Amino acid sequence: DAGVIQSPRHEVTEMGQEVTLRCKPISGHDYLFWYRQTMMRGLELLIYFNNNVPIDDSGMPEDRFSAKMPNASFSTLKIQPSEPRDSAVYFCASSYGVNYEQYFGPGTRLTVT
Amino acid sequence: DQQVKQNSPSLSVQEGRISILNCDYTNSMFDYFLWYKKYPAEGPTFLISISSIKDKNEDGRFTVFLNKSAKHLSLHIVPSQPGDSAVYFCAASANAGNMLTFGGGTRLMVKP
Repeated sequence: DAGVIQSPRHEVTEMGQEVTLRCKPISGHDYLFWYRQTMMRGLELLIYFNNNVPIDDSGMPEDRFSAKMPNASFSTLKIQPSEPRDSAVYFCASSYGVNYEQYFGPGTRLTVT
Repeated sequence: DQQVKQNSPSLSVQEGRISILNCDYTNSMFDYFLWYKKYPAEGPTFLISISSIKDKNEDGRFTVFLNKSAKHLSLHIVPSQPGDSAVYFCAASANAGNMLTFGGGTRLMVKP
């Protein structure tokens, strides 16, 4: 399996623009997680899905952030409008069943100027 | 309020010696703990884990110790190798759930 795939790997955008990050989980995995890594806050969970349904979005920082999972093989994290403080590395991870071991993608480095 | 803390942002160790990475937690509901390893430009990868019913778990050169009374766990790497140089994240889960709470990470540098 190719592992968790994320695109783009790098994104540079201007403040106020819409940003969409994409994730393809490992085939057969039924849990999908979105994380954000920053120097100040480390690795924090934003939202996670089970069988394409959002289960917990308490980590989503504000209404500018939204996530969808239209099918088992695709998820998006959207920021609209983007702000400089959103600059971070965003990771997608997936797992199968109630399994603590999560498989992470390579991340998307977002820079908002 | 950080529920999982790694108070040492970095650690430097000589090759062949022991590396000890520490992690503290505050949530008494945590019952499963994991260590992840992260190389630059890659996502974290699972390394080793321990359930709260145990106080030690060993896998090759890696051993995790759990002290529930102190709410502290540590990762020992013996012997350390230059390829172990990476950022190590401690993570915890509560009530057998899938949600993981991560610490801020410790950058380990193993010098040849």
